[in-house]
Amino acid sequence: SQQGEEDPQALSIQEGENATMNCSYKTSINNLQWYRQNSGRGLVHLILIRSNEREKHSGRLRVTLDTSKKSSSLLITASRAADTASYFCATEKGGGNKLTFGTGTQLKVEL
Amino acid sequence: KAGVTQTPRYLIKTRGQQVTLSCSPISGHRSVSWYQQTPGQGLQFLFEYFSETQRNKGNFPGRFSGRQFSNSRSEMNVSTLELGDSALYLCASSLLTGDTQYFGPGTRLTVL
Repeated sequence: SQQGEEDPQALSIQEGENATMNCSYKTSINNLQWYRQNSGRGLVHLILIRSNEREKHSGRLRVTLDTSKKSSSLLITASRAADTASYFCATEKGGGNKLTFGTGTQLKVEL
Repeated sequence: KAGVTQTPRYLIKTRGQQVTLSCSPISGHRSVSWYQQTPGQGLQFLFEYFSETQRNKGNFPGRFSGRQFSNSRSEMNVSTLELGDSALYLCASSLLTGDTQYFGPGTRLTVL
């Protein structure tokens, strides 16, 4: 079963715009990870944020975590066509490396 | 460092057959996890192995099994294949518990 939902399910923007994706989850977590997937290929790790962190940055990516609301957001600034992909959040509750994935957001960046 | 590798990349089987998929983790990683991805159910956790022991297991029938060898390489086996087992099977490795998981390219299994 999936831990939570991602919102929106699909997002279409123009190159240069910012893209924001949201993830909600149901139970307490140890960490939350964001991944990118291109056309049914393997998952590429983007950022890991731990439960005691509120915000992390990596290049054009910014992730926030609100444990009181059980939600996270991924912001991609100055989007490029190459950012077109599906984005998934995944939570880890502790006790091992079991990830529970969200439903994903399909991002399309148009030229 | 080489990334996570999975073999084979594509596989076609018929109902009732069995299949074995292989995963080689990043050198030094002792944790290997397996996931199934389908359009209907999304990404679902199958099991995790750490130092040759199964540490976590998802909600899959007993037809799905796995093992890990002393060199951390892992295999998963699906017996008595069903049409619904058609999926992308992803393997991930991690250095530490609660750390980043690095995924392989996946094995695309088609059951006819």
